[in-house]
Amino acid sequence: QSALTQPRSVSGSPGQSVTISCTGTFSDVGSSNYISWYQQHPGKVPKLIIYDVSKRPSGVPDRFSGSKSDNTASLTISGLQPDDEAYYYCSSNAGPSTLLFGGGTKVTVL
Amino acid sequence: EVQLVQSGGGLVKPGGSLRLSCAVSGFSFSEYSMHWVRQAPGKGLQWVSSISANGPHMSYADSVRGRFTVSRDNARSSVFLQLNSLRAEDTAVYYCASYSYSGWSLDQWGQGTLVTVSS
Repeated sequence: QSALTQPRSVSGSPGQSVTISCTGTFSDVGSSNYISWYQQHPGKVPKLIIYDVSKRPSGVPDRFSGSKSDNTASLTISGLQPDDEAYYYCSSNAGPSTLLFGGGTKVTVL
Repeated sequence: EVQLVQSGGGLVKPGGSLRLSCAVSGFSFSEYSMHWVRQAPGKGLQWVSSISANGPHMSYADSVRGRFTVSRDNARSSVFLQLNSLRAEDTAVYYCASYSYSGWSLDQWGQGTLVTVSS
């Protein structure tokens, strides 16, 4: 049960786009339709922003988008805003009974 | 309004035990699987355990299997995590969580409870 691999940090200026990758294996990301992304501000509870690879929960702006190719999932934040500065985590099921998280990526808005 | 209210947690010595509780309101608790996720200080999220809607199926992360036990009481809309043989590396904020969109996407979270394992 190894964690999924994310870059430790990404940064961008307001208005720009950033993309965070989440790399696993065929046993998890590669064979899953249940990729999720979470945003977590310091000291706060994680917030679901993408589920089922590319779907957005109610209330999440369309600046957040998700995709997947082979064993890598990606989260793109378009039109970067100051409040987007946070940690982002991906997750994927690995088979029918295990959930894996990525190590987390810190997004910095310059 | 959906609410997940956690209790339990605290300071415990290595080798000790603790029981975490999570009381749920605002949705049909008995129809949903429940999960426990933890976050060590300054670290990322780690899935710990899950239990199916009716309770017969429990799953655990390798790091806690054999030491932690998840259970639920659908009559009380509550889920529990029994932590035994605790180690320093179990120190973390523990969250209970569930979903409303898709079974593996957690959009409902408790407030978290800190477990500190230290002598």
